[in-house]
Amino acid sequence: AQTVTQSQPEMSVQEAETVTLSCTYDTSESDYYLFWYKQPPSRQMILVIRQEAYKQQNATENRFSVNFQKAAKSFSLKISDSQLGDAAMYFCAYSNAGNNRKLIWGLGTSLAVNP
Amino acid sequence: KAGVTQTPRYLIKTRGQQVTLSCSPISGHRSVSWYQQTPGQGLQFLFEYFSETQRNKGNFPGRFSGRQFSNSRSEMNVSTLELGDSALYLCASSRKLAGGPTDTQYFGPGTRLTVL
Repeated sequence: AQTVTQSQPEMSVQEAETVTLSCTYDTSESDYYLFWYKQPPSRQMILVIRQEAYKQQNATENRFSVNFQKAAKSFSLKISDSQLGDAAMYFCAYSNAGNNRKLIWGLGTSLAVNP
Repeated sequence: KAGVTQTPRYLIKTRGQQVTLSCSPISGHRSVSWYQQTPGQGLQFLFEYFSETQRNKGNFPGRFSGRQFSNSRSEMNVSTLELGDSALYLCASSRKLAGGPTDTQYFGPGTRLTVL
């Protein structure tokens, strides 16, 4: 069975600084998808970034980028130029590429941004 | 385009009662998935519906059920509520093109269920 582990329950960063959130996963599949979702205190789960396992290039979305290490089964999220609005719970999630596309989640990392 | 909507946003029930939660997906999305979020267990997959059929099911007891209508709207039902069913229930929709790449799931605001 696939698992997702986020080893940092809480992190903090100074405004305008860079922070990296860690995620490791376990799977025997060769084709899959990885996601980072953000859940602010208002609860709405928002997609931050997604990565297809067959793509070697790391995904980027503005200030958000990932470091995808397939052999190491590692998928970290880097937030550059942190803003107060980045404060939220960040969840790493995994999905198979087949018909069973349920998301398997890590327990999340609570990110605080200090002014 | 309107996002995923869930009703009601808050519910308070007592043990033994049953509850129905509703989810309207993004227009054009045919797949609806449900997740339970609790502080202790995190996010857990309940089930997925596509074209009015349950395609996948998580490891939850039979008290948890759902259905999908022809307009892709979905409902989930929990019967004989237990204290441990208190949670945030999230609904997500995606296009799910047959045979295509996994499409991103977009989430609603959730329904906060409290069981007393």
